[in-house]
Amino acid sequence: GQNIDQPTEMTATEGAIVQINCTYQTSGFNGLFWYQQHAGEAPTFLSYNVLDGLEEKGRFSSFLSRSKGYSYLLLKELQMKDSASYLCAVSDSNYQLIWGAGTKLIIKP
Amino acid sequence: ETGVTQTPRHLVMGMTNKKSLKCEQHLGHNAMYWYKQSAKKPLELMFVYNFKEQTENNSVPSRFSPECPNSSHLFLHLHTLQPEDSALYLCASSQETGSSYEQYFGPGTRLTVT
Repeated sequence: GQNIDQPTEMTATEGAIVQINCTYQTSGFNGLFWYQQHAGEAPTFLSYNVLDGLEEKGRFSSFLSRSKGYSYLLLKELQMKDSASYLCAVSDSNYQLIWGAGTKLIIKP
Repeated sequence: ETGVTQTPRHLVMGMTNKKSLKCEQHLGHNAMYWYKQSAKKPLELMFVYNFKEQTENNSVPSRFSPECPNSSHLFLHLHTLQPEDSALYLCASSQETGSSYEQYFGPGTRLTVT
């Protein structure tokens, strides 16, 4: 079957760095997405990786290793507004998104 | 108005009621999606429409009935729901299906079935 694993919850301190991991097993691979979802709001797109390596976008970076079925989202200089759930999703061989259950990130002052 | 909008934002209905959820996208996209989001579970894809044609129906019970009159509007008609159908229902759109296009989501309808 198809499976996306990510930690349920993480806690980090304002100003610090946090890495949220995602491992996947899917039938085919056409890219991996990270979305951010604040409580009660719509998920919003953060990043897309289809080739191995690191993609940097401001304070957020996303890494992909296709051979390991692994990705991480790196958040630097954490701010209180980064408290949210972070969703990992893989586009499978049919370009259908397979979603993880999300990682709830709690930022403490 | 821009982006993806959904109405109503909150809905409480009894098991014998009939109601409809509405989604509208102002992005010029050709694909629209309905997802179910339950606490601590992955997003569940329910239906996909591409150029108004339904392309996916992921074994969704018949008490959920989608309608896509045009590429900008999507409805989810609900009837004789069960308490376990209580969840956040999210609508999304993308350029089209068949490629890894980013999906844009609406704020969702929080549905409670009593």
